[in-house]
Amino acid sequence: AQKITQTQPGMFVQEKEAVTLDCTYDTSDQSYGLFWYKQPSSGEMIFLIYQGSYDEQNATEGRYSLNFQKARKSANLVISASQLGDSAMYFCAMREAANTGNQFYFGTGTSLTVIP
Amino acid sequence: DGGITQSPKYLFRKEGQNVTLSCEQNLNHDAMYWYRQDPGQGLRLIYYSQIVNDFQKGDIAEGYSVSREKKESFPLTVTSAQKNPTAFYLCASNSLAGVDEQFFGPGTRLTVL
Repeated sequence: AQKITQTQPGMFVQEKEAVTLDCTYDTSDQSYGLFWYKQPSSGEMIFLIYQGSYDEQNATEGRYSLNFQKARKSANLVISASQLGDSAMYFCAMREAANTGNQFYFGTGTSLTVIP
Repeated sequence: DGGITQSPKYLFRKEGQNVTLSCEQNLNHDAMYWYRQDPGQGLRLIYYSQIVNDFQKGDIAEGYSVSREKKESFPLTVTSAQKNPTAFYLCASNSLAGVDEQFFGPGTRLTVL
């Protein structure tokens, strides 16, 4: 089974509007972290936001917020007031604390295009 | 400033030649990773290492080799056995404890002619 699932290969949003990028995860661990990364066309991976499995509040970082629904195993990224510079690939990732091998899992990504 | 460096940013090689991509980190991280990314695709794990002198194969290790002689360095060799080596290669690292994020280098774009 896929550890991280991103079902939206591509998304479009009007400038200044909000957009939600979906992410579901699969783990039996109690302690894990969820991450979102942005990858612009330059290729660098930019860390955006983190949510710990024990955090009761949704994480927020500026215009980014993470809608964490633990029972549903979803960790959607919400970008408010979209800007042209938000056009990029977005990857959801999970890290399992108890895993002694490879700890990180990445989704297949969502390509976001902001329309002026 | 702490971070991960990868060099060079662009690399061109002739078919049949081995090529080594460098990755250095000064974050004091134990774990280091190599990913391959093809255009419009996600990240695929090639190799990872959690301790000096030890490393594990990822999902697409065939045609690649690594070494981890120093904690700070994790070079990747793309051998002539790799059938489609043209891709974007990302190096990453993280601490072993807790659930902190993974840090990435700027990447190397390899083109085999």
